[in-house]
Amino acid sequence: DTAVSQTPKYLVTQMGNDKSIKCEQNLGHDTMYWYKQDSKKFLKIMFSYNNKELIINETVPNRFSPKSPDKAHLNLHINSLELGDSAVYFCASSQPGAPSYEQYFGPGTRLTVT
Amino acid sequence: KQEVTQIPAALSVPEGENLVLNCSFTDSAIYNLQWFRQDPGKGLTSLLLIQSSQREQTSGRLNASLDKSSGRSTLYIAASQPGDSATYLCAVRGSGGGADGLTFGKGTHLIIQP
Repeated sequence: DTAVSQTPKYLVTQMGNDKSIKCEQNLGHDTMYWYKQDSKKFLKIMFSYNNKELIINETVPNRFSPKSPDKAHLNLHINSLELGDSAVYFCASSQPGAPSYEQYFGPGTRLTVT
Repeated sequence: KQEVTQIPAALSVPEGENLVLNCSFTDSAIYNLQWFRQDPGKGLTSLLLIQSSQREQTSGRLNASLDKSSGRSTLYIAASQPGDSATYLCAVRGSGGGADGLTFGKGTHLIIQP
């Protein structure tokens, strides 16, 4: 059973388009996250979402917006895509208050903007 | 603002050697620290998680230690094998209690020569 899943695995699109990446977790966790791994392989937090509380990393452009239809899903919407948005995007989840508070990561979505 | 540094950035050793990967963090107010492995083009595999109250965790040939007061962690790999070749990432979670994500280091790229 896949704990955290993402679709699509690969996404190639042109500049200026709007796209979405879906994330689902079946762990019953209350908190979900989006991370971006750039071309230099550096992973940085973009968003945390917990019980309708959204915490945004201040460096994330407002073209990026997370949407949570329910507790098990946190989708990432990106408007007006730019070349610099090309990266691998990882979704993750964790359970606040759990003994370990461990984060579980999805397999990643490789976004290429041409 | 938390910063995580990993040394060395890259390491190449012959098979069978024991090795140590280093991680340091600037803010000692952490909830836990996780070590991950990332294979090329793949997602993140969690290796070990150490709570802030713990000193070390072991899993098979891996041993991770934590010295919170000095802001340091080490990942010890015993009897290295070619299959251990990957990028190893260290990440810390703050103790703020909110829906904060992980702060990652830039990783150590490890090559085990057969």
